[in-house]
Amino acid sequence: EDQVTQSPEALRLQEGESSSLNCSYTVSGLRGLFWYRQDPGKGPEFLFTLYSAGEEKEKERLKATLTKKESFLHITAPKPEDSATYLCAVQAWSGSEKLVFGKGTKLTVNP
Amino acid sequence: KAGVTQTPRYLIKTRGQQVTLSCSPISGHRSVSWYQQTPGQGLQFLFEYFSETQRNKGNFPGRFSGRQFSNSRSEMNVSTLELGDSALYLCASSLADSGPDTQYFGPGTRLTVL
Repeated sequence: EDQVTQSPEALRLQEGESSSLNCSYTVSGLRGLFWYRQDPGKGPEFLFTLYSAGEEKEKERLKATLTKKESFLHITAPKPEDSATYLCAVQAWSGSEKLVFGKGTKLTVNP
Repeated sequence: KAGVTQTPRYLIKTRGQQVTLSCSPISGHRSVSWYQQTPGQGLQFLFEYFSETQRNKGNFPGRFSGRQFSNSRSEMNVSTLELGDSALYLCASSLADSGPDTQYFGPGTRLTVL
């Protein structure tokens, strides 16, 4: 069974204090690993797709990396507006679009 | 390009009733997936529709059903509502091309069962 575990569950940072979120996964055959951001009461907002170990993608203060067993979301010099829940999900080569999600990391950035 | 839209945004029902939620995917997207999100369980896959056919189904009881129309719009139905069905129901659409296929989510329908 495909599984995703995210850590930590919650993270508090001061503005400008860089850190990383972890996503460990087991999947029968990785088609893609996805990072989303979710604000309270809203749907998840797509951030990155990764599908090959060693791959890296960047967007503003965020950088996502992928190994064969885990992915990291690095946040450099975060701002209060980066506060949100960050979700990691995997998609397998199963003939369907199904995503298996982790429980998420709730990030709070204090000014 | 318009995003995924879901209606209604909020619903209040009582136990035993049934409910229908609607989802309009991004233009050109052929796959629609539904997810249930609760504080305890997180995001859980309900089912996926592609070309009007259910292609995959999650581990939910038969009270949860769905369908997809020829224009890719989708509906999900929950019959005989239970208190535990209170959740945010999210719809996502994707191109369903080969390779990693990004799903784009709608704003969700917040269902409260009293």
